[in-house]
Amino acid sequence: DGGITQSPKYLFRKEGQNVTLSCEQNLNHDAMYWYRQDPGQGLRLIYYSQIVNDFQKGDIAEGYSVSREKKESFPLTVTSAQKNPTAFYLCASSIAPVGTDTQYFGPGTRLTVL
Amino acid sequence: KQEVTQIPAALSVPEGENLVLNCSFTDSAIYNLQWFRQDPGKGLTSLLLIQSSQREQTSGRLNASLDKSSGRSTLYIAASQPGDSATYLCAVSPFSGGYNKLIFGAGTRLAVHP
Repeated sequence: DGGITQSPKYLFRKEGQNVTLSCEQNLNHDAMYWYRQDPGQGLRLIYYSQIVNDFQKGDIAEGYSVSREKKESFPLTVTSAQKNPTAFYLCASSIAPVGTDTQYFGPGTRLTVL
Repeated sequence: KQEVTQIPAALSVPEGENLVLNCSFTDSAIYNLQWFRQDPGKGLTSLLLIQSSQREQTSGRLNASLDKSSGRSTLYIAASQPGDSATYLCAVSPFSGGYNKLIFGAGTRLAVHP
């Protein structure tokens, strides 16, 4: 089965902790993305990666970090510097890093700060 | 700055009705516009992608139109069914950005009741 997997589905974090959200794809896509979704709002881009070992900040990167050591993996770390991390996090990928191809989305991770 | 607006924010209709969801965007310099479906607590599924040179796309009971000059798109759902209940998001891919960027609206939450 080709697709994007995200884990865990639900994640609880205490104040001051860093947590890492996993995103894996077996679609052989070059580009990968992380979005944040808050209730009643559209998706906002956190980070994107156009190729292995390269990534760029999106619109709301503060308090987040990523790595892209393998083509199929793009983990997101939510650091203690992120003041309001409770949200639904979506990972996506696309065939080409630049252009007009659609993005394919994973099932999401819901992060709650206790 | 490109902004995407979706009206209405929520819609409740009886089964069998034909309905129209609206999306507007402020900058016509786009590669394409996409409509996505999101079920509660899940990721996004691409429904239709309209390239900037196209006027409409159809898939089954769904028809999406694009009027780039006026900054508007509509998603028409024919003979609605309870299984169509979901949030529908539109997103544009702007010329600026240098990567496969998507800017999302906040979505229309649709409920189709039997």
